[in-house]
Amino acid sequence: AQTVTQSQPEMSVQEAETVTLSCTYDTSESDYYLFWYKQPPSRQMILVIRQEAYKQQNATENRFSVNFQKAAKSFSLKISDSQLGDAAMYFCAYRVPWGTGANNLFFGTGTRLTVIP
Amino acid sequence: DAGVTQSPTHLIKTRGQQVTLRCSPKSGHDTVSWYQQALGQGPQFIFQYYEEEERQRGNFPDRFSGHQFPNYSSELNVNALLLGDSALYLCASSPGGESQEDQPQHFGDGTRLSIL
Repeated sequence: AQTVTQSQPEMSVQEAETVTLSCTYDTSESDYYLFWYKQPPSRQMILVIRQEAYKQQNATENRFSVNFQKAAKSFSLKISDSQLGDAAMYFCAYRVPWGTGANNLFFGTGTRLTVIP
Repeated sequence: DAGVTQSPTHLIKTRGQQVTLRCSPKSGHDTVSWYQQALGQGPQFIFQYYEEEERQRGNFPDRFSGHQFPNYSSELNVNALLLGDSALYLCASSPGGESQEDQPQHFGDGTRLSIL
């Protein structure tokens, strides 16, 4: 069964500093997708970054980057130059491709990120 | 271009009642997924609709049912409400099919359902 684990319920970072959020997952599939979503108090789930498992190169989106370790089933998110607007709940999520069948998102329990001015 | 829209924003019901939540997908999307997010938890998959049929279902009882209309909008119905059904209900849309594999799911703002 697919499971996603986020072992850090809460994290804090000074403004302009760098923080890394951890995520591990369990799957027997070789082809899948990994995501980081951000959920501010406004509730909307916003896609931050995604990674295709077959791509060895780590994904980057401006100040956000991932460290994808397929063998270790690890998918961490690094936020550089943290800004006050980065404060939110961050969820790691996993899904398999459409043709595999159940391609719904499996989410972790989330990490609450606080940014200190 | 409107994103995913959900209605209502908030809803208060009592135990035993029935509720219907609505979702309009992002333009160009034909697949709708529903998730339940309890307070302090990550979203849990309820079911997914594609081409007006339930394509997949998570581990939720039959009290949870849904529908997708020809315009791809969707409804989530919950019967015989329990206190434990209190949660944020999120709708997500995406293009369906393998040709759209690289497209992520887009989420609405959710409906906050409170059961008294």
